[in-house]
Amino acid sequence: AQSVTQPDIHITVSEGASLELRCNYSYGATPYLFWYVQSPGQGLQLLLKYFSGDTLVQGIKGFEAEFKRSQSSFNLRKPSVHWSDAAEYFCAVGDFNTNAGKSTFGDGTTLTVKP
Amino acid sequence: EAQVTQNPRYLITVTGKKLTVTCSQNMNHEYMSWYRQDPGLGLRQIYYSMNVEVTDKGDVPEGYKVSRKEKRNFPLILESPSPNQTSLYFCASSLTSGRADTQYFGPGTRLTVL
Repeated sequence: AQSVTQPDIHITVSEGASLELRCNYSYGATPYLFWYVQSPGQGLQLLLKYFSGDTLVQGIKGFEAEFKRSQSSFNLRKPSVHWSDAAEYFCAVGDFNTNAGKSTFGDGTTLTVKP
Repeated sequence: EAQVTQNPRYLITVTGKKLTVTCSQNMNHEYMSWYRQDPGLGLRQIYYSMNVEVTDKGDVPEGYKVSRKEKRNFPLILESPSPNQTSLYFCASSLTSGRADTQYFGPGTRLTVL
């Protein structure tokens, strides 16, 4: 069965500092990987996704993620964090291949940005 | 405006009183899904639907029912709610269940079962 682990429950960074949020997945085939952001009181918004091709994926709001098959990881990065990036971030794996539509999300990482 | 809407946004009810949370999308999406979000547990998929009249269980379907009679609507039904179903519920849709389709999420429904 597919699974996603986000090892960091809470991360605090200073505004302007770089950010890396970790995501590890378990999946038997080529995964379809996503990062979503949830601002307080809001639904989830897609930041970026990976399903094939270049392992470095660019997303919205200046985020990028790198797929590393050997490490089963899909870490999210941003070179310079803005106060508006404070939110909860979810990594997800989509089993849109065999199980036709099943999605599994990690437990989320809450990002706090210090002024 | 393309969106997923959910109603109600907030609901407090009592154990055993049947309720329905509606979900509607105006993007002609084939795929729709329900999730619940609980602290420390992330999002867990309850049910999903690949198309009209096609539904399937996610990871935590117990205590829930769904139906997909029309493409745009995917209501979540709790026949006999219990306190452990107190949660934040999200509906989502995507164009198809294709490999890399983006899911669009509704604003959430916060349910409290007393």
